[in-house]
Amino acid sequence: AQSVTQLGSHVSVSEGALVLLRCNYSSSVPPYLFWYVQYPNQGLQLLLKYTSAATLVKGINGFEAEFKKSETSFHLTKPSAHMSDAAEYFCAVSDGNQGGKLIFGQGTELSVKP
Amino acid sequence: DADVTQTPRNRITKTGKRIMLECSQTKGHDRMYWYRQDPGLGLRLIYYSFDVKDINKGEISDGYSVSRQAQAKFSLSLESAIPNQTALYFCATSRQGAGDTQYFGPGTRLTVL
Repeated sequence: AQSVTQLGSHVSVSEGALVLLRCNYSSSVPPYLFWYVQYPNQGLQLLLKYTSAATLVKGINGFEAEFKKSETSFHLTKPSAHMSDAAEYFCAVSDGNQGGKLIFGQGTELSVKP
Repeated sequence: DADVTQTPRNRITKTGKRIMLECSQTKGHDRMYWYRQDPGLGLRLIYYSFDVKDINKGEISDGYSVSRQAQAKFSLSLESAIPNQTALYFCATSRQGAGDTQYFGPGTRLTVL
C-alpha cells in the first residue's frame, strides 16, 4: 500500500532563510508525487509534481523538489523564504494502479519569522 | 469565477441531522473526489467518481454517501451527522490519468454539535 510521511508537523524559518520540507513515500510501483500548498481559509493549490520526467522539478513561487528513488524522498525546498510562504504544505503520492487517487501526508505548517 | 465551487462554505448542524454538501465544477473533468481534512491527519479520501456511472468508496466512507448528478456535480451526504464528522471537507476534480493534477474547491467547514 502507498503511504506518505512528512517529517515535522511544524517548521519555522526566518525570512530569507532556506526552506526545507521533508517528504518520504512508500509505493510498490513508480509513483507520481505532488506538493500542494494551503493558505489560510483556502483550498489546496498545486505547487509542483513529479511524473517520471526530470527528477528535479520546479514549481510556482520559487519552490522546487527533487525525486530521489534510492531514498524514497521528495523534499521541497526554496532558497529564500518570504513572509507570504507561510502556509500548510502537503505531500501526496499517486500511482497508475490507483487510478489517480491521492494519498496525502499529514501536512507541515510553515511559519516565516520577520 | 472559480472552477470548483462548494456550497455551503460553512455549516453548523446538530447530531442526527441529515446534511448535504454540494460541489460543482466548470473544468469539464470526468473525475471528482471528496476528502475530509482533520488537523494532523492531512486529507483522507471519502468517495471518488471516475464518471457519472462510476462511484467508489475511499478510505473513510462509513457514515457518508454520494451522488453524481451530472459530470459537473458531485454531492456528499451525511445521513445522520455525528460530532466526529466535524471537519473541513474538500471537493476535487481531475482529468483521466494517475499523474493528473487534482483541482480543489475552497472547502466546507462543517461543525456537528
